[in-house]
Amino acid sequence: EDKVVQSPLSLVVHEGDTVTLNCSYEVTNFRSLLWYKQEKKAPTFLFMLTSSGIEKKSGRLSSILDKKELFSILNITATQTGDSAVYLCAVVKTSGSRLTFGEGTQLTVNP
Amino acid sequence: GAGVSQSPSNKVTEKGKDVELRCDPISGHTALYWYRQSLGQGLEFLIYFQGNSAPDKSGLPSDRFSAERTGGSVSTLTIQRTQQEDSAVYLCASSLQGATQETQYFGPGTRLLVL
Repeated sequence: EDKVVQSPLSLVVHEGDTVTLNCSYEVTNFRSLLWYKQEKKAPTFLFMLTSSGIEKKSGRLSSILDKKELFSILNITATQTGDSAVYLCAVVKTSGSRLTFGEGTQLTVNP
Repeated sequence: GAGVSQSPSNKVTEKGKDVELRCDPISGHTALYWYRQSLGQGLEFLIYFQGNSAPDKSGLPSDRFSAERTGGSVSTLTIQRTQQEDSAVYLCASSLQGATQETQYFGPGTRLLVL
Protein backbone atom coordinates (compact mmCIF):
# COMPACT_ATOMS: atom_id res chain seq x y z
CA GLU A 1 0.00 0.00 0.00
CA ASP A 2 1.28 3.45 -0.91
CA LYS A 3 2.32 5.53 2.08
CA VAL A 4 3.29 9.16 2.62
CA VAL A 5 4.48 10.14 6.10
CA GLN A 6 5.14 13.67 7.24
CA SER A 7 6.99 14.81 10.32
CA PRO A 8 6.65 16.49 12.62
CA LEU A 9 2.86 16.56 12.76
CA SER A 10 2.98 19.93 14.46
CA LEU A 11 5.62 22.55 15.08
CA VAL A 12 5.60 25.84 16.97
CA VAL A 13 8.36 28.37 16.33
CA HIS A 14 9.08 32.08 16.75
CA GLU A 15 9.29 34.58 13.94
CA GLY A 16 12.70 34.53 12.34
CA ASP A 17 13.36 30.86 13.03
CA THR A 18 14.22 28.42 10.26
CA VAL A 19 12.15 25.25 9.98
CA THR A 20 12.56 21.98 8.14
CA LEU A 21 9.54 19.84 7.34
CA ASN A 22 9.99 16.23 6.35
CA CYS A 23 8.14 13.93 3.99
CA SER A 24 8.99 10.29 3.39
CA TYR A 25 7.21 8.00 0.99
CA GLU A 26 6.78 4.39 0.01
CA VAL A 27 5.16 4.38 -3.40
CA THR A 28 5.42 2.07 -6.36
CA ASN A 29 6.02 3.72 -9.72
CA PHE A 30 6.86 7.11 -8.20
CA ARG A 31 6.66 10.06 -10.56
CA SER A 32 6.66 13.34 -8.60
CA LEU A 33 6.32 14.81 -5.14
CA LEU A 34 4.37 17.97 -4.49
CA TRP A 35 4.20 20.38 -1.56
CA TYR A 36 1.09 22.41 -0.79
CA LYS A 37 0.31 25.06 1.84
CA GLN A 38 -3.17 24.95 3.39
CA GLU A 39 -4.21 27.97 5.44
CA LYS A 40 -8.00 27.92 5.51
CA LYS A 41 -9.43 25.45 3.06
CA ALA A 42 -7.83 25.45 -0.39
CA PRO A 43 -4.34 23.96 -0.53
CA THR A 44 -2.12 26.22 -2.59
CA PHE A 45 0.66 24.77 -4.70
CA LEU A 46 4.24 25.35 -3.63
CA PHE A 47 6.58 22.96 -5.44
CA MET A 48 6.65 19.93 -7.68
CA LEU A 49 9.80 17.80 -7.47
CA THR A 50 10.59 15.12 -9.98
CA SER A 51 14.37 14.90 -10.10
CA SER A 52 16.60 13.98 -7.22
CA GLY A 53 19.05 16.49 -5.78
CA ILE A 54 17.75 19.58 -7.55
CA GLU A 55 16.65 22.26 -5.12
CA LYS A 56 13.57 24.27 -5.95
CA LYS A 57 13.39 27.71 -4.41
CA SER A 58 10.75 30.38 -4.05
CA GLY A 59 11.61 33.28 -1.82
CA ARG A 60 12.19 31.98 1.69
CA LEU A 61 10.94 28.51 0.81
CA SER A 62 13.00 25.76 -0.73
CA SER A 63 12.61 22.04 -1.23
CA ILE A 64 14.65 19.11 -2.38
CA LEU A 65 13.94 15.48 -3.22
CA ASP A 66 16.06 12.40 -2.50
CA LYS A 67 14.76 9.53 -4.63
CA LYS A 68 17.31 7.10 -3.27
CA GLU A 69 16.30 7.58 0.36
CA LEU A 70 12.67 8.29 -0.60
CA PHE A 71 12.14 11.59 1.14
CA SER A 72 11.81 15.30 0.62
CA ILE A 73 12.32 18.31 2.86
CA LEU A 74 10.70 21.71 2.79
CA ASN A 75 12.75 24.52 4.33
CA ILE A 76 11.39 27.86 5.40
CA THR A 77 13.91 30.48 6.48
CA ALA A 78 13.21 33.65 8.47
CA THR A 79 9.70 32.46 9.26
CA GLN A 80 6.85 34.96 9.49
CA THR A 81 3.44 34.68 11.15
CA GLY A 82 1.95 34.41 7.68
CA ASP A 83 3.75 31.11 7.22
CA SER A 84 1.45 29.56 9.82
CA ALA A 85 -0.46 26.85 7.97
CA VAL A 86 -0.68 23.12 7.37
CA TYR A 87 1.97 21.99 4.90
CA LEU A 88 0.93 19.00 2.84
CA CYS A 89 3.14 16.60 0.95
CA ALA A 90 1.73 14.46 -1.84
CA VAL A 91 3.08 12.01 -4.39
CA VAL A 92 1.88 11.15 -7.86
CA LYS A 93 2.63 7.91 -9.65
CA THR A 94 3.53 7.20 -13.24
CA SER A 95 0.42 5.07 -13.52
CA GLY A 96 -2.14 7.75 -12.73
CA SER A 97 -2.87 11.32 -11.76
CA ARG A 98 -4.32 11.02 -8.29
CA LEU A 99 -2.37 12.55 -5.43
CA THR A 100 -1.62 10.50 -2.32
CA PHE A 101 -1.24 12.85 0.61
CA GLY A 102 0.50 12.73 3.94
CA GLU A 103 -1.28 13.91 7.08
CA GLY A 104 0.36 17.30 6.94
CA THR A 105 2.51 19.34 9.31
CA GLN A 106 0.74 22.08 11.28
CA LEU A 107 3.21 24.97 11.53
CA THR A 108 2.52 27.80 13.95
CA VAL A 109 4.78 30.85 13.85
CA ASN A 110 4.42 33.07 16.90
CA PRO A 111 5.40 36.75 16.87
CA GLY B 1 -8.00 34.45 -13.72
CA ALA B 2 -10.71 32.63 -11.80
CA GLY B 3 -9.69 29.64 -9.79
CA VAL B 4 -11.59 26.50 -8.89
CA SER B 5 -14.89 27.35 -7.23
CA GLN B 6 -17.07 25.14 -5.09
CA SER B 7 -20.52 25.45 -3.64
CA PRO B 8 -21.90 25.50 -1.08
CA SER B 9 -19.10 26.60 1.24
CA ASN B 10 -20.77 24.87 4.14
CA LYS B 11 -23.54 22.32 4.33
CA VAL B 12 -25.29 20.97 7.38
CA THR B 13 -27.60 18.05 6.83
CA GLU B 14 -29.40 15.38 8.79
CA LYS B 15 -28.33 11.78 8.73
CA GLY B 16 -30.08 9.93 5.93
CA LYS B 17 -30.53 12.92 3.62
CA ASP B 18 -28.89 13.25 0.22
CA VAL B 19 -26.49 16.09 -0.57
CA GLU B 20 -25.02 17.50 -3.75
CA LEU B 21 -21.72 19.33 -3.88
CA ARG B 22 -20.69 21.36 -6.89
CA CYS B 23 -17.33 22.12 -8.45
CA ASP B 24 -16.46 24.58 -11.23
CA PRO B 25 -12.93 23.89 -12.47
CA ILE B 26 -10.54 26.42 -13.94
CA SER B 27 -11.58 27.22 -17.48
CA GLY B 28 -9.75 25.05 -19.97
CA HIS B 29 -8.75 22.41 -17.45
CA THR B 30 -9.77 18.99 -18.71
CA ALA B 31 -8.92 17.02 -15.57
CA LEU B 32 -11.03 17.25 -12.42
CA TYR B 33 -10.51 15.53 -9.07
CA TRP B 34 -12.49 15.15 -5.86
CA TYR B 35 -10.77 14.64 -2.51
CA ARG B 36 -12.05 14.39 1.04
CA GLN B 37 -10.33 15.72 4.14
CA SER B 38 -11.60 14.37 7.43
CA LEU B 39 -10.69 16.00 10.73
CA GLY B 40 -7.04 15.44 11.55
CA GLN B 41 -6.39 13.44 8.41
CA GLY B 42 -4.73 14.05 5.09
CA LEU B 43 -6.58 14.41 1.84
CA GLU B 44 -8.11 11.22 0.52
CA PHE B 45 -8.65 10.71 -3.22
CA LEU B 46 -12.26 10.03 -4.27
CA ILE B 47 -12.68 10.26 -8.05
CA TYR B 48 -10.97 11.62 -11.15
CA PHE B 49 -12.38 12.79 -14.50
CA GLN B 50 -10.24 13.28 -17.57
CA GLY B 51 -11.91 14.58 -20.72
CA ASN B 52 -14.32 12.06 -22.18
CA SER B 53 -12.62 9.04 -20.63
CA ALA B 54 -14.38 6.86 -18.10
CA PRO B 55 -13.79 8.32 -14.62
CA ASP B 56 -11.47 6.68 -12.11
CA LYS B 57 -13.90 5.93 -9.27
CA SER B 58 -11.54 3.75 -7.30
CA GLY B 59 -11.41 6.12 -4.31
CA LEU B 60 -15.14 6.31 -3.66
CA PRO B 61 -15.69 4.85 -0.18
CA SER B 62 -19.12 3.32 -0.82
CA ASP B 63 -21.89 3.09 -3.39
CA ARG B 64 -23.63 5.97 -1.62
CA PHE B 65 -21.08 8.23 -3.31
CA SER B 66 -21.32 9.15 -6.97
CA ALA B 67 -20.12 11.95 -9.18
CA GLU B 68 -20.74 13.21 -12.64
CA ARG B 69 -19.22 15.80 -14.87
CA THR B 70 -21.46 17.39 -17.45
CA GLY B 71 -20.11 18.90 -20.63
CA GLY B 72 -16.55 18.35 -19.55
CA SER B 73 -16.73 21.22 -17.07
CA VAL B 74 -18.87 21.41 -13.93
CA SER B 75 -18.91 18.39 -11.65
CA THR B 76 -21.38 17.32 -8.97
CA LEU B 77 -20.52 14.95 -6.13
CA THR B 78 -23.61 13.31 -4.66
CA ILE B 79 -23.75 11.54 -1.32
CA GLN B 80 -26.92 9.55 -0.74
CA ARG B 81 -28.28 8.62 2.68
CA THR B 82 -25.57 10.58 4.45
CA GLN B 83 -23.93 9.18 7.56
CA GLN B 84 -22.13 11.02 10.33
CA GLU B 85 -18.79 9.63 9.15
CA ASP B 86 -19.31 11.48 5.87
CA SER B 87 -18.66 14.74 7.72
CA ALA B 88 -15.53 16.23 6.18
CA VAL B 89 -14.26 18.94 3.88
CA TYR B 90 -14.75 17.94 0.26
CA LEU B 91 -12.14 19.48 -2.02
CA CYS B 92 -12.19 19.69 -5.77
CA ALA B 93 -9.08 20.21 -7.90
CA SER B 94 -8.43 20.66 -11.59
CA SER B 95 -5.42 20.44 -13.83
CA LEU B 96 -4.71 21.27 -17.41
CA GLN B 97 -4.59 17.77 -18.82
CA GLY B 98 -4.42 15.27 -16.00
CA ALA B 99 -1.01 14.01 -16.96
CA THR B 100 1.17 13.07 -14.05
CA GLN B 101 3.37 16.12 -14.48
CA GLU B 102 0.49 18.58 -14.27
CA THR B 103 -0.08 20.57 -11.11
CA GLN B 104 -3.49 20.27 -9.49
CA TYR B 105 -5.14 23.49 -8.30
CA PHE B 106 -7.62 23.23 -5.48
CA GLY B 107 -10.90 24.96 -4.72
CA PRO B 108 -11.87 26.25 -1.26
CA GLY B 109 -13.85 23.12 -0.46
CA THR B 110 -17.27 22.37 0.95
CA ARG B 111 -17.44 21.68 4.67
CA LEU B 112 -20.11 19.02 5.19
CA LEU B 113 -21.53 18.31 8.62
CA VAL B 114 -23.93 15.42 9.03
CA LEU B 115 -25.92 15.59 12.26
